[in-house]
Amino acid sequence: NAGVTQTPKFQVLKTGQSMTLQCAQDMNHEYMSWYRQDPGMGLRLIHYSVGAGITDQGEVPNGYNVSRSTTEDFPLRLLSAAPSQTSVYFCASMRSSSGNTIYFGEGSWLTVV
Amino acid sequence: GENVEQHPSTLSVQEGDSAVIKCTYSDSASNYFPWYKQELGKGPQLIIDIRSNVGEKKDQRIAVTLNKTAKHFSLHITETQPEDSAVYFCAASKGQAGTALIFGKGTTLSVSS
Repeated sequence: NAGVTQTPKFQVLKTGQSMTLQCAQDMNHEYMSWYRQDPGMGLRLIHYSVGAGITDQGEVPNGYNVSRSTTEDFPLRLLSAAPSQTSVYFCASMRSSSGNTIYFGEGSWLTVV
Repeated sequence: GENVEQHPSTLSVQEGDSAVIKCTYSDSASNYFPWYKQELGKGPQLIIDIRSNVGEKKDQRIAVTLNKTAKHFSLHITETQPEDSAVYFCAASKGQAGTALIFGKGTTLSVSS
């Protein structure tokens, strides 16, 4: 998964706390997205972006905010964490001309207690 | 909304046998169908993909078939090996733009020697 970097790798939050999961890619990819993965649920799309300044909602956007001020970065914000947001989060990116090949980061494990 | 159904959820085969995983999708505009392999603690890794203008694609022991009329696609692994044991996910592009993916819930493949 060279090129898509997620931080932190692991995080424990208390209910109501806020935090930001960082995602950066150095491949000059226009498209970026965030997924969450829960046991037995596969990966579900949270938010995605087709370029700097443009974002849109996926399957499960509630409780999450995103912004895309630069091509390289696509942070995911939890404003008031809830136990239901305990999950593994994956960031992904794709070059618009690459024929849809999407590359994933290594994941961020988040626990909300 | 868009949906991808994947079957079976678990699959156990003997080394050397073939394994088949099937998916159906709901979005008629989807035009890109990747398959990912995920090992424990890691992000999804692309193993093969197919686009809507192609009916079948092969890569050594792995093949994917697509029936756009019926909206289903399948992954075929021949001569399975213990290292093929992992969770496999199918996905369909969110609309024609393919900027994000809708995933199936995954198939846990176990290959015993």
